Amino acid sequence: NAGVTQTPKFQVLKTGQSMTLQCAQDMNHNSMYWYRQDPGMGLRLIYYSASEGTTDKGEVPNGYNVSRLNKREFSLRLESAAPSQTSVYFCASTRQTGGGAEVNEQFFGPGTRLTVL
Amino acid sequence: KNQVEQSPQSLIILEGKNCTLQCNYTVSPFSNLRWYKQDTGRGPVSLTIMTFSENTKSNGRYTATLDADTKQSSLHITASQLSDSASYICVVSAGYSSASKIIFGSGTRLSIRP
Repeated sequence: NAGVTQTPKFQVLKTGQSMTLQCAQDMNHNSMYWYRQDPGMGLRLIYYSASEGTTDKGEVPNGYNVSRLNKREFSLRLESAAPSQTSVYFCASTRQTGGGAEVNEQFFGPGTRLTVL
Repeated sequence: KNQVEQSPQSLIILEGKNCTLQCNYTVSPFSNLRWYKQDTGRGPVSLTIMTFSENTKSNGRYTATLDADTKQSSLHITASQLSDSASYICVVSAGYSSASKIIFGSGTRLSIRP
């Protein structure tokens, strides 16, 4: 049981390049999330998927797209990377969205450290 | 505006000492409050989860308290160990239906010195 896995762990891009960050969970969770973490700031939600087949924008969606490929996998794509997207990206999952505290506990992946030059 | 503020931003204590981290929130409607530990280069890991009706919860040497009236929470670490060096993040959920209503504090970076 690996929990939440992310690839790659590190990536350096040039401005304008594109890439996809991969995330997978093996806990049979319904909901998945993408966050970015910048120094001195709390995690900010980019996109989330409450259930397979649905995606919604979070607080900072501009410049990103997502795909909920199946129940296990949720990918984040940068179509044209910008230096402002230099950050650490975390994927998370929960059993479901809504309901009590226990089912909303978020499990996080190890993160992808992205640098855009 | 929903906000979660943590203090101090950083803290250095000697191994074996106790410490208390603070979290103030203005989140409505309040659903639950969690404390996470984030080791350097890793993702956050949940320590405690408290709902409105709970005012204290322990996880080993970690004890979280919640005062829903004053909208304050604290995380107390007893007999600190070097492995406690990490960032501690307070997270408050508003309502029950939207993933976008999970608000993260910016964290307290705790360093334990031998």
